Amino acid sequence: DARVTQTPRHKVTEMGQEVTMRCQPILGHNTVFWYRQTMMQGLELLAYFRNRAPLDDSGMPKDRFSAEMPDATLATLKIQPSEPRDSAVYFCASGLLRDRIYNEQFFGPGTRLTVL
Amino acid sequence: RKEVEQDPGPFNVPEGATVAFNCTYSNSASQSFFWYRQDCRKEPKLLMSVYSSGNEDGRFTAQLNRASQYISLLIRDSKLSDSATYLCAVNSPSNTGKLIFGQGTTLQVKP
Repeated sequence: DARVTQTPRHKVTEMGQEVTMRCQPILGHNTVFWYRQTMMQGLELLAYFRNRAPLDDSGMPKDRFSAEMPDATLATLKIQPSEPRDSAVYFCASGLLRDRIYNEQFFGPGTRLTVL
Repeated sequence: RKEVEQDPGPFNVPEGATVAFNCTYSNSASQSFFWYRQDCRKEPKLLMSVYSSGNEDGRFTAQLNRASQYISLLIRDSKLSDSATYLCAVNSPSNTGKLIFGQGTTLQVKP
C-alpha cells in the first residue's frame, strides 16, 4: 500500500530554533507539494516540485523557509529561525502528473509543529 | 473573490439523511476536480475525482456543472462515520499539477 510518509509526526521547539521536516513521496510520483494548515487559514500551498525542480514557492516566507528535493525519494522543508506563528500542521503530498487531467494528490500524515 | 469557495457549515444532519455540498470555482479553464475528506487531526484523503459526466461510488455522488462553475457532492443515507470536513479541490489551469483547495465544509451526522 503506497503512502506518503513524513517525519517527524510531532515537533515542539522554541522560537529561533531550526526545524526540518522530511517527506518521502510515493514511489514513481513526479510532483511533490508542501502545505500548511491552520484553523484560521485552512490549507495553504507553500511550495511544489515537479521532477525535483521547484515550480513555485511563492506561498513561502522566503526569509525563513526553504524547500528542497535532494533526490526523488526525499523532500525537505526547513524553517530557520522558527517563530510561534509557524505553529501549524505541515502536510506533504505527492502526485503523478501524466496529462492535463486527473492529477490527484495524496497526502502524508503531516508534521504537527508547535513553536513556543 | 476566492478561487474556490465552500460553505463552511457545519451541516448537522440525522443519520439516514441525504446531504449535499456545493463548491464554486472562479476559473472557467479548470479541468480537474476532486473531493477530499479530512477527519479531525488527520490528513486529507481523496474521496472522489469528479468527471465531466458525474460519478457515483456507493452512497456518494459527485457532479460537475461547468456552466455555473460548481461541483457538488451528494451523500445518501448518511452514517455517523461520514462526520468529517469535506474539501473540494480544483486544478490550476496552468496544468502543473497544482490544486487549489476550498476551506472545507464540516458535516456532523447525529444519531
